[in-house]
Amino acid sequence: DVVMTQSPLSLPVTLGQPASISCRSSQSLARSDGSTHLTWFQQRPGQSPRRLIYEVSNRDSGVPDRFSGSGSGTDFTLEISRVEADDVGAYYCMQNTHWPPTFGQGTKLEI
Amino acid sequence: EVQLVESGGGLVQPGGSLRLSCAASGFAFSEHWVDWVRQAPGKGLEWVGRAKHKPDNYATEYAASVKGRFSISRDDSKNSVYLQMNSLKTEDTAVYYCGDIGDSLPWGRGTRVTVSS
Repeated sequence: DVVMTQSPLSLPVTLGQPASISCRSSQSLARSDGSTHLTWFQQRPGQSPRRLIYEVSNRDSGVPDRFSGSGSGTDFTLEISRVEADDVGAYYCMQNTHWPPTFGQGTKLEI
Repeated sequence: EVQLVESGGGLVQPGGSLRLSCAASGFAFSEHWVDWVRQAPGKGLEWVGRAKHKPDNYATEYAASVKGRFSISRDDSKNSVYLQMNSLKTEDTAVYYCGDIGDSLPWGRGTRVTVSS
């Protein structure tokens, strides 16, 4: 299985400041058709996960443009340009290029 | 409103069985694969299995940790997917979510399964 490694696992942040989460995969997530199935989920405390970004850098509808995803191959990053209180929670990367789908350990964002 | 609602969780002894349901509404359920993902207490997310749709012959897939013990079925006429869990182990204790991990559909709130004697 593809191992997804996130860092840091805990991320203390200051409101209004940027934040960055790294996700590395044990194999390249690039498919021969050019697609890369790397997804970011947000899980606020007490809530179910919500998809934020798919295929590395595409924001889902309703996701603030403060959130951005980037990367290629085995190295990916989720960035929040200016952290707001509503962003507190856990963030997970997930790959769906190789079977089975696998998640990173999660990064806990705390103010 | 697009919605997925899980149900059927509870307390069960090791070796026991439980059947979870996932009821969908507000979208074209038959066009989607449905995944089950679980989250053990205080832990991260783990993909459990998947029910594909009719164009993929309703194929099912399972994580190695549950293969042979869990089975997934779907009933498009009821907009529902089911997770039959047999030979439950303490390590199956988790909140179980249904959703489509390849889509932006909102996941359900989850149903809690506790395996304990």
